[in-house]
Amino acid sequence: KAGVTQTPRYLIKTRGQQVTLSCSPISGHRSVSWYQQTPGQGLQFLFEYFSETQRNKGNFPGRFSGRQFSNSRSEMNVSTLELGDSALYLCASSSGISAVTDTQYFGPGTRLTVL
Amino acid sequence: AQKITQTQPGMFVQEKEAVTLDCTYDTSDQSYGLFWYKQPSSGEMIFLIYQGSYDEQNATEGRYSLNFQKARKSANLVISASQLGDSAMYFCAMRGANTGGFKTIFGAGTRLFVKA
Repeated sequence: KAGVTQTPRYLIKTRGQQVTLSCSPISGHRSVSWYQQTPGQGLQFLFEYFSETQRNKGNFPGRFSGRQFSNSRSEMNVSTLELGDSALYLCASSSGISAVTDTQYFGPGTRLTVL
Repeated sequence: AQKITQTQPGMFVQEKEAVTLDCTYDTSDQSYGLFWYKQPSSGEMIFLIYQGSYDEQNATEGRYSLNFQKARKSANLVISASQLGDSAMYFCAMRGANTGGFKTIFGAGTRLFVKA
């Protein structure tokens, strides 16, 4: 079974630009979650999608948005990039059935650098 | 609110020895799941082991075991027979049934160094 894939793996943007990151979950998984990882803040939850609906959202500004397609692939978008958005963005997939028992499997991440 | 605390920023262990990575948690949920992940320098988070709050037995997966003490709200990871490839960041994480849904809360992590 193929794992979680994320594209692109590396991205360099300048302040004010926008960026779109893509995540393809494990086949059969319907839940996709996004996390931001920075040295200062650690791993922070952005949002979770299940069957094309956002089910949970973290404490991030509206510049961060996402969506999920009917094939469970997900994209996240960051508009008006700021220097502080430089981070490793991780996508995780799971069945989406039980918040308590589901294991989330992570992709390799997209490393975003904002100049 | 849910919280995960990992008090060891860095740990050293000799190859082939066992090591315990500490994790304490706080939650108001009665039903919750605890997870440990490994993150090598490549960045990918690798799932290691899971413990449910109602599981009476401590979880084990190969060289990994979880020392679950519910009353003390601790879920320490034990790695037996350490290998050089175990050098990485280790994160303790949790999700509760009623707080946050699929929002996983992570600790700050422990960096493990395995010495030859």
